[in-house]
Amino acid sequence: DVKVTQSSRYLVKRTGEKVFLECVQDMDHENMFWYRQDPGLGLRLIYFSYDVKMKEKGDIPEGYSVSREKKERFSLILESASTNQTSMYLCASSPWAYNSPLHFGNGTRLTVT
Amino acid sequence: EDKVVQSPLSLVVHEGDTVTLNCSYEVTNFRSLLWYKQEKKAPTFLFMLTSSGIEKKSGRLSSILDKKELFSILNITATQTGDSAVYLCAQGGAGSYQLTFGKGTKLSVIP
Repeated sequence: DVKVTQSSRYLVKRTGEKVFLECVQDMDHENMFWYRQDPGLGLRLIYFSYDVKMKEKGDIPEGYSVSREKKERFSLILESASTNQTSMYLCASSPWAYNSPLHFGNGTRLTVT
Repeated sequence: EDKVVQSPLSLVVHEGDTVTLNCSYEVTNFRSLLWYKQEKKAPTFLFMLTSSGIEKKSGRLSSILDKKELFSILNITATQTGDSAVYLCAQGGAGSYQLTFGKGTKLSVIP
């Protein structure tokens, strides 16, 4: 089974802090994604990556950046956390084929105070 | 304007009932329609429907794709309390790695 592991289940940070959310997958998938999930808004794509060192903006990239130095690892960075970034963050991966099902991690619930 | 619209947003049924969840999508660049189940943690994949596979079934769950009317339904028969979850519908576009999700339908099955 594909395993997508997010480093933290719950995280509490202060406004203005730099925040790193880490995601690791063990199936040698080319594609990795970061979504955020909010009540009433559903899942929205922040960034995705289809190869090492490659990244593409999703629908809501503002206030976020990403890093993919190794194939198995995809990091989401909040340069200066704000309260409106309080959310559930979901990482996902998929193989190279277009429209392959995404495999999700368990999520990180981030609270910015 | 939302590209993937799910209805209803929430639903409460009794064990043993049959439920139908709806998902409408855009035709532009359509390649696939996917269903996920999300309990407290990660969404788990249920079905993928494409032009070459418009009906899928697994146990009590089944799904169809209506390419003419641009919608999909997810049916759950003989519901159980373990079916309580948020069901997510997502559209995959041609030549795209990403999925566009609907807001989900929250299903609650009460004993």
